[in-house]
Amino acid sequence: DVKVTQSSRYLVKRTGEKVFLECVQDMDHENMFWYRQDPGLGLRLIYFSYDVKMKEKGDIPEGYSVSREKKERFSLILESASTNQTSMYLCASGGQHNEQFFGPGTRLTVL
Amino acid sequence: GENVEQHPSTLSVQEGDSAVIKCTYSDSASNYFPWYKQELGKRPQLIIDIRSNVGEKKDQRIAVTLNKTAKHFSLHITETQPEDSAVYFCAARRNQGGKLIFGQGTELSVKP
Repeated sequence: DVKVTQSSRYLVKRTGEKVFLECVQDMDHENMFWYRQDPGLGLRLIYFSYDVKMKEKGDIPEGYSVSREKKERFSLILESASTNQTSMYLCASGGQHNEQFFGPGTRLTVL
Repeated sequence: GENVEQHPSTLSVQEGDSAVIKCTYSDSASNYFPWYKQELGKRPQLIIDIRSNVGEKKDQRIAVTLNKTAKHFSLHITETQPEDSAVYFCAARRNQGGKLIFGQGTELSVKP
């Protein structure tokens, strides 16, 4: 059974803190993605990765960075969290011909 | 840039009625169009998809149609049930395995 997991379901951080969101997939997929979901704006792509140590900017990369040291793990980093980064963060993975499978999401609140 | 517009943003129907959600895309090179359903508090899950070499695809009560000339595609749900209530997202993709461009989502409410 396909599985994408995220390290936390809920996270509360303070402005200026460094935040790490972790995503792990067990399907040996090459491609991994980070989205944020906000009401009325749909799913917006932050960063994605086609391979280990490879990353590409999505539509809204500002204020974020990513790391992919191993094929199964893709991390999203908020270098200095701000209140406008309060959101639902969804990780997804997909093979070259497959659908994207989403993780359960992390609801991040920045105070 | 690449863009997907989705309408309506909210849709309320009576149980048993049909529901239609429409999307238009800007990138004429798009060739894969999935639809995701997200129930409250849960992750988005693929419910149906269509590729550009097909005009229509059906799976029980759901169907998707694609008009490549007009660059729009639609989701049709017949005989709606309360468990169809969810947020539905359309998306478009150009390259295999590449990034999906999502629409803004449609919140469907099916009233018993």
